[in-house]
Amino acid sequence: EPEVTQTPSHQVTQMGQEVILRCVPISNHLYFYWYRQILGQKVEFLVSFYNNEISEKSEIFDDQFSVERPDGSNFTLKIRSTKLEDSAMYFCASSARVWMNQPQHFGDGTRLSIL
Amino acid sequence: KQEVTQIPAALSVPEGENLVLNCSFTDSAIYNLQWFRQDPGKGLTSLLLIQSSQREQTSGRLNASLDKSSGRSTLYIAASQPGDSATYLCAVRPGYGNKLVFGAGTILRVKS
Repeated sequence: EPEVTQTPSHQVTQMGQEVILRCVPISNHLYFYWYRQILGQKVEFLVSFYNNEISEKSEIFDDQFSVERPDGSNFTLKIRSTKLEDSAMYFCASSARVWMNQPQHFGDGTRLSIL
Repeated sequence: KQEVTQIPAALSVPEGENLVLNCSFTDSAIYNLQWFRQDPGKGLTSLLLIQSSQREQTSGRLNASLDKSSGRSTLYIAASQPGDSATYLCAVRPGYGNKLVFGAGTILRVKS
């Protein structure tokens, strides 16, 4: 069964450094998402992306965050200057067509640790 | 603002028991509701999606129901097995946008 793949599985970064998290969504999917889960807390929506632009974002997704689809397969989340509170598990998800009520499929996540 | 609550927070049952996990949401205007399974340190595996016009969905030993007007969903697991041990998450897609709003999950332990 097709799946969403994320790399790396674990990223350790010094505070203030830039980090890029990578995702390969399922190949025929059109909608892409980033979520995060701080340890012990709920999974939270960050951003959704469709047709090469952000379609929705949460209050968490401030100017430090950006997303990009640099080619036909990858979808990236960049955090420009990391803070301690950015430490979390970051999940990428994709779905086929929103208007067809298709499920979102999630990757295994990237655990981001900020030191 | 949509809020999702899951009860109980944790559940421990002996193998073979049937069990029910509960999910409630504050705004009944939803497109769909999705149940996920999360194993420790892993991603989310989609189990079932119920559209707002549906009452229930079944997959194997799993049955999910939806009562949109009362803002409730249940996940019924029949004949539980130790391999069912995981965290079960409920998420709703509100009637606006395409994000998912998650509950905190129910941690299930099935004892052999």
